Amino acid sequence: GQNIDQPTEMTATEGAIVQINCTYQTSGFNGLFWYQQHAGEAPTFLSYNVLDGLEEKGRFSSFLSRSKGYSYLLLKELQMKDSASYLCAVRDMTGGSYIPTFGRGTSLIVHP
Amino acid sequence: KAGVTQTPRYLIKTRGQQVTLSCSPISGHRSVSWYQQTPGQGLQFLFEYFSETQRNKGNFPGRFSGRQFSNSRSEMNVSTLELGDSALYLCASSLVGGQGGTEAFFGQGTRLTVV
Repeated sequence: GQNIDQPTEMTATEGAIVQINCTYQTSGFNGLFWYQQHAGEAPTFLSYNVLDGLEEKGRFSSFLSRSKGYSYLLLKELQMKDSASYLCAVRDMTGGSYIPTFGRGTSLIVHP
Repeated sequence: KAGVTQTPRYLIKTRGQQVTLSCSPISGHRSVSWYQQTPGQGLQFLFEYFSETQRNKGNFPGRFSGRQFSNSRSEMNVSTLELGDSALYLCASSLVGGQGGTEAFFGQGTRLTVV
């Protein structure tokens, strides 16, 4: 099984930078994902990390350290529309199956 | 390019009944995964189908089953419904999924209420 921890809620100001952390424990790591989910909508894919390091995609970046069981999602130049829940998910190999396990999500509130 | 389509969007069922949900993936995608999302447990993986075969399975009881057709459309079935099965059921499609899957696209979900 897995244990994924991320903060429940964060607040930030429009135009600022925010970092959402995710820590995990797994025995058969096979990739880490970040998803964004607006209230009442389906999750949308943001990033995928399987090797250590930083992946940058526009205003969003995701970092992974496998040895530390740690990832973060960095959001720059925050906009009001970035107010959403951010889900960290780890895929691992368990009993022959590749299972993605999701954290409970971090609710980000961006205020003017 | 059409997105992932799930039907129906909303469903109300009685305890003990069974239900079938449908998911049509993005054209060309062969992997379909199903998830249950509840306020209490968050998003949980049910199973994944690829080329009509269940390839990966989460930790849900046997009342939850699925299948995939040759056109990659997938159905999920829940038998002997319990109140705790009330949830948003999401499906996600990807090109290859499984071990090699990177990006997945979610449908809008089916909101199931068991009374």
